Amino acid sequence: AQRVTQPEKLLSVFKGAPVELKCNYSYSGSPELFWYVQYSRQRLQLLLRHISRESIKGFTADLNKGETSFHLKKPFAQEEDSAMYYCASITGGSNYKLTFGKGTLLTVNP
Amino acid sequence: EAQVTQNPRYLITVTGKKLTVTCSQNMNHEYMSWYRQDPGLGLRQIYYSMNVEVTDKGDVPEGYKVSRKEKRNFPLILESPSPNQTSLYFCASSLREQELKGEQYFGPGTRLTVT
Repeated sequence: AQRVTQPEKLLSVFKGAPVELKCNYSYSGSPELFWYVQYSRQRLQLLLRHISRESIKGFTADLNKGETSFHLKKPFAQEEDSAMYYCASITGGSNYKLTFGKGTLLTVNP
Repeated sequence: EAQVTQNPRYLITVTGKKLTVTCSQNMNHEYMSWYRQDPGLGLRQIYYSMNVEVTDKGDVPEGYKVSRKEKRNFPLILESPSPNQTSLYFCASSLREQELKGEQYFGPGTRLTVT
């Protein structure tokens, strides 16, 4: 079964510092990977997907198949980035199941 | 406005009293899913539905039922709730095409407490 691991439950940085939220996956094929974000008192929403190779709100994430990682990075954190971040993966086949990691709570201090 | 709605948003109930949490989407999405969110455990899928009358178990289906009689609605039923089902529940939906890309639209959540 595929697994998504986010090793850090909590991550605290200062405003303007670089931030990296770690995500590792276990799947021998080619999964599609995503980052979802949940701001305080808001619903979960898609932040970015690896297939699009896009940058959203200054965040980027690169798929590293050798290390089976999909870390989320931002060079200069902002206070409004404080939120819960979930890494998720999806595989094809018959059920298109989206599997989430346990989440990392990012706090950006002023 | 395109959205996923859930009702109720908050519910406190007692062990064994049947309850239903409704989920509705107005985006004509084929795929719908229920998750529960617990501290330290992240989101875990309970049930999902690929289309009308097609449902299947997720990772933690025990104690839950679902039905998909209409495309827009996907209610979650707890026949005999127990305290370990105290959790925050999210409904999500997506188009089949978007589901391949993992873009699910989430509801606002239902906080359930079973005493």
